[in-house]
Amino acid sequence: DAGVIQSPRHEVTEMGQEVTLRCKPISGHNSLFWYRQTMMRGLELLIYFNNNVPIDDSGMPEDRFSAKMPNASFSTLKIQPSEPRDSAVYFCASGQGPPRSDEQYFGPGTRLTVT
Amino acid sequence: TQLLEQSPQFLSIQEGENLTVYCNSSSVFSSLQWYRQEPGEGPVLLVTVVTGGEVKKLKRLTFQFGDARKDSSLHITAAQPGDTGLYLCAGIGGSQGNLIFGKGTKLSVKP
Repeated sequence: DAGVIQSPRHEVTEMGQEVTLRCKPISGHNSLFWYRQTMMRGLELLIYFNNNVPIDDSGMPEDRFSAKMPNASFSTLKIQPSEPRDSAVYFCASGQGPPRSDEQYFGPGTRLTVT
Repeated sequence: TQLLEQSPQFLSIQEGENLTVYCNSSSVFSSLQWYRQEPGEGPVLLVTVVTGGEVKKLKRLTFQFGDARKDSSLHITAAQPGDTGLYLCAGIGGSQGNLIFGKGTKLSVKP
């Protein structure tokens, strides 16, 4: 199994630009999570999908962030417009839950730098 | 808000030494998980502890869940350079049952 696939691995963009991060979960997993990791705040859950439906988006910081899961094998996290404070590593994880606390398999992450 | 505090934040030791890292909270968790994250990679689950007082061993790693299910520890015996990484604890919390992560302990084992 290829594991969770994320692209791009690194993204550098200017403030105000739109950024789209992509994730392909492990086949057969029906839960998908987007996390953000920073030194200051650690690993934070942004949004949780189950069977392609957003269940909990309470961690999405503001309206500039949006996430979609059009099918079981693909999800996107979009930031528009991006700001320097969005710089972080963004992880996608998938699992076989619910419960959402079941083992989660993380992708390698996308390191986003907004200048 | 349920928080998990991990200590120490950083730890640098020589190969062969023993070490213990801690994960503490003022809240009760139904279970705790420990992850290891290597540079440039995502976290990987090491173990889940469920019962208060539970001890689990994974080769040279020993995990313990506190009796009151508010804290946990990870002990590594005879550390090796391959143990280098960020160790994260995570508990199920909040009204939604999400995983809440600590900020981690960054371990460096020098040969």
